[in-house]
Amino acid sequence: DVKVTQSSRYLVKRTGEKVFLECVQDMDHENMFWYRQDPGLGLRLIYFSYDVKMKEKGDIPEGYSVSREKKERFSLILESASTNQTSMYLCASSFQTGGADEKLFFGSGTQLSVL
Amino acid sequence: AQTVTQSQPEMSVQEAETVTLSCTYDTSENNYYLFWYKQPPSRQMILVIRQEAYKQQNATENRFSVNFQKAAKSFSLKISDSQLGDTAMYFCAFIPYSGGGADGLTFGKGTHLIIQP
Repeated sequence: DVKVTQSSRYLVKRTGEKVFLECVQDMDHENMFWYRQDPGLGLRLIYFSYDVKMKEKGDIPEGYSVSREKKERFSLILESASTNQTSMYLCASSFQTGGADEKLFFGSGTQLSVL
Repeated sequence: AQTVTQSQPEMSVQEAETVTLSCTYDTSENNYYLFWYKQPPSRQMILVIRQEAYKQQNATENRFSVNFQKAAKSFSLKISDSQLGDTAMYFCAFIPYSGGGADGLTFGKGTHLIIQP
């Protein structure tokens, strides 16, 4: 089975801290994604990457950056955490097919609280 | 840009009943995929069903089926013989065929489905 692993299930940080959320997938997927999930807002795309060292902004990139030095790992970085970044963060990956097998595989999420 | 709208924030039905969750979307693309994902309290997103826009036949997966109306840009999910384990958030999602999937899915805001015993 495809596995997408997020390093932390729960995380508590202080305002102004630099925060790293790590995501690793084991299926050699080209595409990786970071979503943010908030009640009543659904999932919103923060950043995505379609290859090593490549990154593209999603719908809400402000306050975030990403790093993809290796194909299997995609990190989300909060340079200076703020309380409005308290949220659930979901990582996902997929093959770069655009074909019949198109679907995303998700990690189990990181609930981040910024105090 | 694509948008996905789920107009029912929450629904509640009795066990064994049939329930339909609605989803509409807006796109200028002609070829795309539509999905329903389920997120139980464990938070793990689970793919329920997928529909290719070029297929006229509605997708089915056991108790789950969709009513796909391309002209109306509507994609509803029907759950038959609902079970307590169906209690979850349900998200409708869209991805265009072009781009190799690299742009990710566009999600609706979700419907919280509660199955009552």
